[in-house]
Amino acid sequence: DTGVSQDPRHKITKRGQNVTFRCDPISEHNRLYWYRQTLGQGPEFLTYFQNEAQLEKSRLLSDRFSAERPKGSFSTLEIQRTEQGDSAMYLCASREKDEAFFGQGTRLTVV
Amino acid sequence: AQTVTQSQPEMSVQEAETVTLSCTYDTSESDYYLFWYKQPPSRQMILVIRQEAYKQQNATENRFSVNFQKAAKSFSLKISDSQLGDAAMYFCAYRSGVNFGNEKLTFGTGTRLTIIP
Repeated sequence: DTGVSQDPRHKITKRGQNVTFRCDPISEHNRLYWYRQTLGQGPEFLTYFQNEAQLEKSRLLSDRFSAERPKGSFSTLEIQRTEQGDSAMYLCASREKDEAFFGQGTRLTVV
Repeated sequence: AQTVTQSQPEMSVQEAETVTLSCTYDTSESDYYLFWYKQPPSRQMILVIRQEAYKQQNATENRFSVNFQKAAKSFSLKISDSQLGDAAMYFCAYRSGVNFGNEKLTFGTGTRLTIIP
């Protein structure tokens, strides 16, 4: 296992379309996080899973956003009816003890 | 809510010199963790160094060290003998020490470090 993997790396979509991103964490890590990073800003927390349970969601996660982690393995983040303001880098991270490991992110551009 | 402030959007340093990146934070908690993460261009974020708030001794990792001032809520990163590979965005981050329901990292806005050959 070489680390946290995210797919796709880049996604361009038209406003109003739905998009889904996938994150494969480090296999023995039971904690998984999604963050959003816009240009010139630090990552902002979106949601957190411990195994398959979604334990915390940010106010940033509107009802157009949904995340799942079936069977406590990979996770998906879906954005419905995308808006231009959704354009950002979406980062996934996984953690077992003290250190969080990040994926390379999915860059979403909504046109 | 916790906040993390990085007041230096950009810094530059001559190769082989020393540079210090600043970070302040605000919290009412006594148990927490502080981190410095490095994000090279188009590459993933990696952990540089970690500090537990209950430890008085400043953390060090090879050329990287921190100056943790708990009372002042300050957490600066010192990079010694700067190398070209140190060029990146550096983010300061906070995580609560209370496990359940407070798992997230809170990041500052970052400092872009340029190394001058």
